[in-house]
Amino acid sequence: DTGVSQDPRHKITKRGQNVTFRCDPISEHNRLYWYRQTLGQGPEFLTYFQNEAQLEKSRLLSDRFSAERPKGSFSTLEIQRTEQGDSAMYLCASSPEGSNTGELFFGEGSRLTVL
Amino acid sequence: AQKITQTQPGMFVQEKEAVTLDCTYDTSDQSYGLFWYKQPSSGEMIFLIYQGSYDEQNATEGRYSLNFQKARKSANLVISASQLGDSAMYFCAMRDLNTGNQFYFGTGTSLTVIP
Repeated sequence: DTGVSQDPRHKITKRGQNVTFRCDPISEHNRLYWYRQTLGQGPEFLTYFQNEAQLEKSRLLSDRFSAERPKGSFSTLEIQRTEQGDSAMYLCASSPEGSNTGELFFGEGSRLTVL
Repeated sequence: AQKITQTQPGMFVQEKEAVTLDCTYDTSDQSYGLFWYKQPSSGEMIFLIYQGSYDEQNATEGRYSLNFQKARKSANLVISASQLGDSAMYFCAMRDLNTGNQFYFGTGTSLTVIP
């Protein structure tokens, strides 16, 4: 049973460059979430997919951020024209529909450093 | 408004002793879920325990128990018989079950177990 996997685990980029992160959820989970975590803070919600539909987006998700889940399986999170304030850990989580508790299963995260 | 408050940035506990990590929450919903997650230095968020707002008994999972006081809106995590491997960040989280799919996380408590 494989868990949620994220790639890359670490990314260092220069300001202004575009970056893309990939998340592969647990295979039978139809719910997928992206969170951002900065140093000393808890995870902050970015967006939520149910299957391929993006149902919720946080106001934190500026127009430089776009997320997709084209076939309802893996998801990508792209950040265009990166800024130093984008430096954070980007966490992906999945959850099965119909779970009694609805707990999230997280990946190990993708750490972004913008120089 | 802050939904989840964790007032202890850091805690220390002697190995084999019990420790309580505090969490208070804010919601006007009647139906919600409370969660605790552990985040070791590797970065992955590990689900520990869940308490539903309608559950009358405190949740327990092995060495973890949740001290749920609904009137006080508190959901403290109790770890019994602490082990060195319990050293990590601990996050309290809440999900309003009627209104959506967002999980709100606190700022976390760093727990250090002393041998």
